[in-house]
Amino acid sequence: GQNIDQPTEMTATEGAIVQINCTYQTSGFNGLVWYQHHAGAAPTFLSYNGLDVLEEKGRFSSFLSRSKGYSYLLLKELQMKDSASYLCAAMDSNYQLIWGTGTKLIIKP
Amino acid sequence: ETGVTQTPRHLVMGMTNKKSLKCEQHLGHNAMYWYKQSAKKPLELMFVYNFKEQTENNSVPSRFSPECPNSSHLFLHLHTLQPEDSALYLCASSQDGTSGGNEQFFGPGTRLTVL
Repeated sequence: GQNIDQPTEMTATEGAIVQINCTYQTSGFNGLVWYQHHAGAAPTFLSYNGLDVLEEKGRFSSFLSRSKGYSYLLLKELQMKDSASYLCAAMDSNYQLIWGTGTKLIIKP
Repeated sequence: ETGVTQTPRHLVMGMTNKKSLKCEQHLGHNAMYWYKQSAKKPLELMFVYNFKEQTENNSVPSRFSPECPNSSHLFLHLHTLQPEDSALYLCASSQDGTSGGNEQFFGPGTRLTVL
């Protein structure tokens, strides 16, 4: 079957670094995406990884290991506004996104 | 603003009502999607339209009926829903529905409550 696993909730301190992990099992694989979702707002795209490289965009980075079926999202210099749910989704052989349940990230002062 | 709007933002309906959700994208995309997000569950893909043609229907009950009159508009018609259909319904669009790395742009969703 197809499955995406990510932690339900994480807590971190403002100014610190946090890593959100995601493991996947899909029928075929065409890349992995990360989205940020603030309650009441539209989920917004953060990154796409198709190869085993580290993608960096400002304070956010994403890494993929296809051999391990594993990805992580790294958030640096955490700000209070980073409190949100972070959704991991893998693209299967039909380019359909298979979604995880999301990781609720709580940032404390 | 993601370029995708959804109306209404909140909807409360009885099980015998008929209502429709509307989605509009201003991005010139050719693919549009309906997703259901229930509490503590993954996003569930319901329908995909690519160039106005329905390409996916993930075993969705017939009480949900999609309509895509053109590439910019997508509707979800609701009829005789059940309380377990209460959820956040998200619309998304992308350039097309067949390429890898295709970023999907989401609307803010419609929070639906079925009484």
